[in-house]
Amino acid sequence: GAVVSQHPSRVICKSGTSVKIECRSLDFQATTMFWYRQFPKQSLMLMATSNEGSKATYEQGVEKDKFLINHASLTLSTLTVTSAHPEDSSFYICSARDRGGYSYEQYFGPGTRLTVT
Amino acid sequence: AQTVTQSQPEMSVQEAETVTLSCTYDTSESDYYLFWYKQPPSRQMILVIRQEAYKQQNATENRFSVNFQKAAKSFSLKISDSQLGDAAMYFCAYSRGSNYKLTFGKGTLLTVNP
Repeated sequence: GAVVSQHPSRVICKSGTSVKIECRSLDFQATTMFWYRQFPKQSLMLMATSNEGSKATYEQGVEKDKFLINHASLTLSTLTVTSAHPEDSSFYICSARDRGGYSYEQYFGPGTRLTVT
Repeated sequence: AQTVTQSQPEMSVQEAETVTLSCTYDTSESDYYLFWYKQPPSRQMILVIRQEAYKQQNATENRFSVNFQKAAKSFSLKISDSQLGDAAMYFCAYSRGSNYKLTFGKGTLLTVNP
């Protein structure tokens, strides 16, 4: 149980275009979903927290107009990188909190590698 | 703001031996949660072990155990009988609050030598 999927697993896009990454909780309802960014050989950096039906809360320094987050249902959150540039190339990871079980625990998706050319 | 410090960027251990990874954290709260996550080359984050701060007993999961010292704000991970599959980046993390946001340390890269 407690599986989180991400789609796509990797994506290449041209500079100036937008790309959407989906995060789904497959077998549980997610109270909260989180989006992280990870550069090579570095730790995970929290970008934003989203609760179903509410606007996302962004961490300091994260451009909310560039990284659009939508949490439309209890099982789906999307991250859209708008007008992507090469510096947005990174590994993006989502996680989700289960409404039941250990509610403080997060389950992680497998990540999406974004390359902007 | 809470901070999590992993002072060992890299560690190595011989297969079947024991290794301890260090983690300290800074918080003024009394109720929180601590985690060790493993990230293998696939980059999938895998929960290794969790500790609730209100529990005095150290958590144990098979070959993995922690030494939780609340007063010292220390949370080390011991891996016994190390296996080749244990080779990965290990992250210590802290969580509390209404959304239980995770704050990660910088990680320790563990190499297991055959």
